[in-house]
Amino acid sequence: NAGVTQTPKFQVLKTGQSMTLQCAQDMNHNSMYWYRQDPGMGLRLIYYSASEGTTDKGEVPNGYNVSRLNKREFSLRLESAAPSQTSVYFCASSKGTAPEAFFGQGTRLTVV
Amino acid sequence: KQEVTQIPAALSVPEGENLVLNCSFTDSAIYNLQWFRQDPGKGLTSLLLIQSSQREQTSGRLNASLDKSSGRSTLYIAASQPGDSATYLCAGGPAGGTSYGKLTFGQGTILTVHP
Repeated sequence: NAGVTQTPKFQVLKTGQSMTLQCAQDMNHNSMYWYRQDPGMGLRLIYYSASEGTTDKGEVPNGYNVSRLNKREFSLRLESAAPSQTSVYFCASSKGTAPEAFFGQGTRLTVV
Repeated sequence: KQEVTQIPAALSVPEGENLVLNCSFTDSAIYNLQWFRQDPGKGLTSLLLIQSSQREQTSGRLNASLDKSSGRSTLYIAASQPGDSATYLCAGGPAGGTSYGKLTFGQGTILTVHP
């Protein structure tokens, strides 16, 4: 049972480059989320998708876009990476009718 | 804006001690409270979930309580072991709707249990 799978696990980008972080869950969950974790700031919500076909901004959406490709997959795109986007990114999912959230292993992104 | 605070920021204890980690939140009206464990360089592992209608949950040596009236949750770890060393995060979420994973996190308590 894989749960929530994120790819890649590590990535180094140059300023201005673009990339997409992938997330897939196999728990048939309706809702999916992207968080970033920074030292001293805790985890903060970037975007979320309450159900397939819907997406909404979280606390820190600037510089990011998301796509809910289908019920299983939710991707996060950085169009023009900036050093301020150096962080660890976590994808999560929840059933939507039950409160427990499940997290992936994270993507460690460095923008130089 | 919802805020979640965890005290202490770091805790170092000898093996065998019972310990309490604290979490406080500003909005007690709508809450499920979830405790997570995070090992260095790893993801978040869900430990316990207390739904808004509940007062506490237990799993093995772990017990979490929720007092909505005071806006506080505690995680009690009995007979601590070196393997319990990790960062413990609490997170509060909405009590209803389709966005249960829309969590507000505390900054965590770094726990070190030394032999």
